[in-house]
Amino acid sequence: AQTVTQSQPEMSVQEAETVTLSCTYDTSENNYYLFWYKQPPSRQMILVIRQEAYKQQNATENRFSVNFQKAAKSFSLKISDSQLGDTAMYFCAFILIIQGAQKLVFGQGTRLTINP
Amino acid sequence: EAQVTQNPRYLITVTGKKLTVTCSQNMNHEYMSWYRQDPGLGLRQIYYSMNVEVTDKGDVPEGYKVSRKEKRNFPLILESPSPNQTSLYFCASSLTGLASSYEQYFGPGTRLTVT
Repeated sequence: AQTVTQSQPEMSVQEAETVTLSCTYDTSENNYYLFWYKQPPSRQMILVIRQEAYKQQNATENRFSVNFQKAAKSFSLKISDSQLGDTAMYFCAFILIIQGAQKLVFGQGTRLTINP
Repeated sequence: EAQVTQNPRYLITVTGKKLTVTCSQNMNHEYMSWYRQDPGLGLRQIYYSMNVEVTDKGDVPEGYKVSRKEKRNFPLILESPSPNQTSLYFCASSLTGLASSYEQYFGPGTRLTVT
């Protein structure tokens, strides 16, 4: 079965702190991509960062970085110097490419609150 | 501006009244899909379309239909809505092929309530 598990339903940190959101996934496929999406109160789904499974180097995007452990099937998101605008629901997801079809599997989400 | 649009954004309807949620993208993407988002379940795929000739079921297709007559449009049809279809719906599009990162471009969402 293809699954994504986010074990932290809610997290709360103070502004400027660093926070790490955990994500584990399960798949027997080798060709996949991993994503973190942010969903603010506006409900828009916004791509935060992506990682190709065949790349060993961890992806970074400004204050956002991932710790990708392929053998452990772990894909955590680190937010450095957190800002009030980072308050949102965060979803971990991976996409499998099977005969041209894109199967996107999402976790349940982590609600992150940044406190002033 | 590259975007995916959905209409309507909000809809309250009654059980059994047929409805269509439209989705359109201006990025010339081959791949389009529909998801529903429910609390504690994340997003689940309803239907997808690899191109105008191919559509197929996702994980939760029951009670839904789709159509892909044009590359840019991918409407979601509920022939006889029921209360368990009350949800937040997202349309998404993406590139395909080896040069693609398979990033999904999401529409703004449609909040549907079926009473």
